[in-house]
Amino acid sequence: QKEVEQNSGPLSVPEGAIASLNCTYSDRVSQSFFWYRQYSGKSPELIMSIYSNGDKEDGRFTAQLNKASQYVSLLIRDSQPSDSATYLCAVTRAGAGGTSYGKLTFGQGTILTVHP
Amino acid sequence: GAVVSQHPSRVICKSGTSVKIECRSLDFQATTMFWYRQFPKKSLMLMATSNEGSKATYEQGVEKDKFLINHASLTLSTLTVTSAHPEDSSFYICSAGVDFGAGTRLSVL
Repeated sequence: QKEVEQNSGPLSVPEGAIASLNCTYSDRVSQSFFWYRQYSGKSPELIMSIYSNGDKEDGRFTAQLNKASQYVSLLIRDSQPSDSATYLCAVTRAGAGGTSYGKLTFGQGTILTVHP
Repeated sequence: GAVVSQHPSRVICKSGTSVKIECRSLDFQATTMFWYRQFPKKSLMLMATSNEGSKATYEQGVEKDKFLINHASLTLSTLTVTSAHPEDSSFYICSAGVDFGAGTRLSVL
């Protein structure tokens, strides 16, 4: 079993729809969870972080965390073609509050395509 | 602005030469930084953890003599690809905290 698992996709959604990206992790001690967006040929860009169970909203993005189920998801509302990218889920045992989170463990990424 | 600066963004070199890539943490002192490698359409592969003032920790299968890492200060880590060969051509990315540098695309001819 991989430490962090994501459906590689591709996930295709029409413009304006909600894109739902899912991630499961195996390390029960994980405390910090991140979603990155990576455009082709570019490095990953942090778009959301979440540390507590429940939902966290930032603009069109909502991250959801369920530690009991070891599950974290990212919802993108009103999807735009510019959201087409690979989305990476990352987890670490380090907690929030510092600048050093230690080693992040990444999933393999989900390719999202938003078509006009 | 970027909190992790990585240079150069692109390198083209001849086989057998060595290439140095710099990674700077701009807004905090990073005792650890990380180096990744990514092939086209593949996921990130962690190569090593760069530790300030001590030896880097390499992931299994990564040749430490091939990929030299130096972390002499709290804001700078360098990765040197020694005697580069075409199979070393890849996208190399560093990170500090939760932020990534822009990456370095290495092409070895």
